[in-house]
Amino acid sequence: NAGVTQTPKFRVLKTGQSMTLLCAQDMNHEYMYWYRQDPGMGLRLIHYSVGEGTTAKGEVPDGYNVSRLKKQNFLLGLESAAPSQTSVYFCASSFLRDTQPQHFGDGTRLSIL
Amino acid sequence: GQQLNQSPQSMFIQEGEDVSMNCTSSSIFNTWLWYKQDPGEGPVLLIALYKAGELTSNGRLTAQFGITRKDSFLNISASIPSDVGIYFCAGYGGSQGNLIFGKGTKLSVKP
Repeated sequence: NAGVTQTPKFRVLKTGQSMTLLCAQDMNHEYMYWYRQDPGMGLRLIHYSVGEGTTAKGEVPDGYNVSRLKKQNFLLGLESAAPSQTSVYFCASSFLRDTQPQHFGDGTRLSIL
Repeated sequence: GQQLNQSPQSMFIQEGEDVSMNCTSSSIFNTWLWYKQDPGEGPVLLIALYKAGELTSNGRLTAQFGITRKDSFLNISASIPSDVGIYFCAGYGGSQGNLIFGKGTKLSVKP
């Protein structure tokens, strides 16, 4: 039972490069989320999706785009990476929103030089 | 926006000791969640609380949903070295429906 799987686990980019982080869940959850985790800042919501084909902005959406073409996948894109986007990125999913726990992947550690 | 105040920020304890940590909010929450994060991994759900006053246990862990709905507590009894990690509280409340996280309590356990 894989749960939430994130790829890649590590990546180093140069400023200005682009990349896509992939999240896949096998729990048939409707809701999926992307967070970033920075020291002393806790987890901050970037974007989320309430179902296939939908996306919405979270607390810190600038510089990121997302897509949910299939229910089980949620992609996070960085169009032009900046050093301020160096962080650990976590994907999560939940069956319902507002009350149900979110289940997290193991994260992608991204460094922007 | 809504914030959760989690305390303490860090704890250094001896193996076998009990641990207490808490989260408070300025507004009412409908659900409280407690997660643990080990180094290099994602947060893992420990306990979920859905009703004011609810007291729930998971092994040596016990958590409570405060009766004011503005706080929650997590206790760990008889700590062991594998309890080391960062513990996060999180809650749902407010109109946006997003999960709000505390900044975590880092627990270190001396064998």
